Amino acid sequence: NAGVTQTPKFQVLKTGQSMTLQCAQDMNHEYMSWYRQDPGMGLRLIHYSVGAGITDQGEVPNGYNVSRSTTEDFPLRLLSAAPSQTSVYFCASSYTSSGANVLTFGAGSRLTVL
Amino acid sequence: GQNIDQPTEMTATEGAIVQINCTYQTSGFNGLFWYQQHAGEAPTFLSYNVLDGLEEKGRFSSFLSRSKGYSYLLLKELQMKDSASYLCAVSDSNYQLIWGAGTKLIIKP
Repeated sequence: NAGVTQTPKFQVLKTGQSMTLQCAQDMNHEYMSWYRQDPGMGLRLIHYSVGAGITDQGEVPNGYNVSRSTTEDFPLRLLSAAPSQTSVYFCASSYTSSGANVLTFGAGSRLTVL
Repeated sequence: GQNIDQPTEMTATEGAIVQINCTYQTSGFNGLFWYQQHAGEAPTFLSYNVLDGLEEKGRFSSFLSRSKGYSYLLLKELQMKDSASYLCAVSDSNYQLIWGAGTKLIIKP
């Protein structure tokens, strides 16, 4: 099993550009989520989904969009990149959204916005 | 507000024992997780506590006291490969994870 696959691993954008971070999982997990990780801060939830066709906002959703057309895929779109979005982004999935919902993380995508 | 506190950095010696503390204040409680994250890599799951007490898993143990809002991760027989950040996360009343900033553990020979 590949687990959670994220692409790209590295990306440099100019302010105002848009892009999509891809995330796919092959574990038939219902719950998928996107986090950003910044130095000195805990992981912050951007958006999450509890199943195909269902998405919801996390703690820091502004400037990002998501969709969940299939169980496997959960892309994150940056609409108009800003330097404040420079971060490491992790996609994570779990079998359920409640209880002992152990997350499996992708390898991360390091984004720099100039 | 919701808050998770853990030390920023700790140093320990190879072969020794280290305890990493985590205190939390959250809206409700549905379990506490510990994850390990090596530099430049993704977090990986270590342990889950939902009831008070000690959970042992090989060289790693995790303790929870819900009344005190406190947990610790105990690492025994430290190895160089244990050099990593250790993340504490609490599942709140809505099963949303609240994450601490992580404790960077440095192991010296």
